[in-house]
Amino acid sequence: DADVTQTPRNRITKTGKRIMLECSQTKGHDRMYWYRQDPGLGLRLIYYSFDVKDINKGEISDGYSVSRQAQAKFSLSLESAIPNQTALYFCATSDLSSGGAYNEQFFGPGTRLTVL
Amino acid sequence: AQSVTQLDSQVPVFEEAPVELRCNYSSSVSVYLFWYVQYPNQGLQLLLKYLSGSTLVKGINGFEAEFNKSQTSFHLRKPSVHISDTAEYFCAVSTNSGYSTLTFGKGTMLLVSP
Repeated sequence: DADVTQTPRNRITKTGKRIMLECSQTKGHDRMYWYRQDPGLGLRLIYYSFDVKDINKGEISDGYSVSRQAQAKFSLSLESAIPNQTALYFCATSDLSSGGAYNEQFFGPGTRLTVL
Repeated sequence: AQSVTQLDSQVPVFEEAPVELRCNYSSSVSVYLFWYVQYPNQGLQLLLKYLSGSTLVKGINGFEAEFNKSQTSFHLRKPSVHISDTAEYFCAVSTNSGYSTLTFGKGTMLLVSP
């Protein structure tokens, strides 16, 4: 079984709809991250969480919100989706005790989101 | 804050030829450096990392990278590429703060043709 899973893997939605992307991990890591990937722009950090009670904005948090329901679960929400949020979204995890101070991260398979 | 520049957005190469993918970083403090690979329709996989010590780092699939502090570079190399190496490669940097995050470059698409 995959250590970092994302659901759904693909989603098509309409402008204005609320959508939630979910991430679960079985690695036992404290830290979780959400990135979006756009062609030619690489990966950009949306939000990150160093533990259940710690949520931080990343480079491009506008239009997004997150929830860390448990150590193993980190959800990304788009309250009112817009077309320029069409992208590939990745969840990642890391852990301080197993090299996380160096920020080696482990990635999920991604969610391809299309907003019409 | 740290930043990463990948100088080439695409690198076309023939099979069995050598390749170098370039990465330069900027940071005012000590850094940790990573190369990740993304195969088509997949997530990112760690290729290799530099934390400290020897500046020549060997990774999976025959790749290696050399950390050059004076030139603030971490170029990725492979002496002979295969068709299966076709993928997007991302250089990333973090610092030695426990609260640091990873900053990625924009990626280099390696296109290997027969």
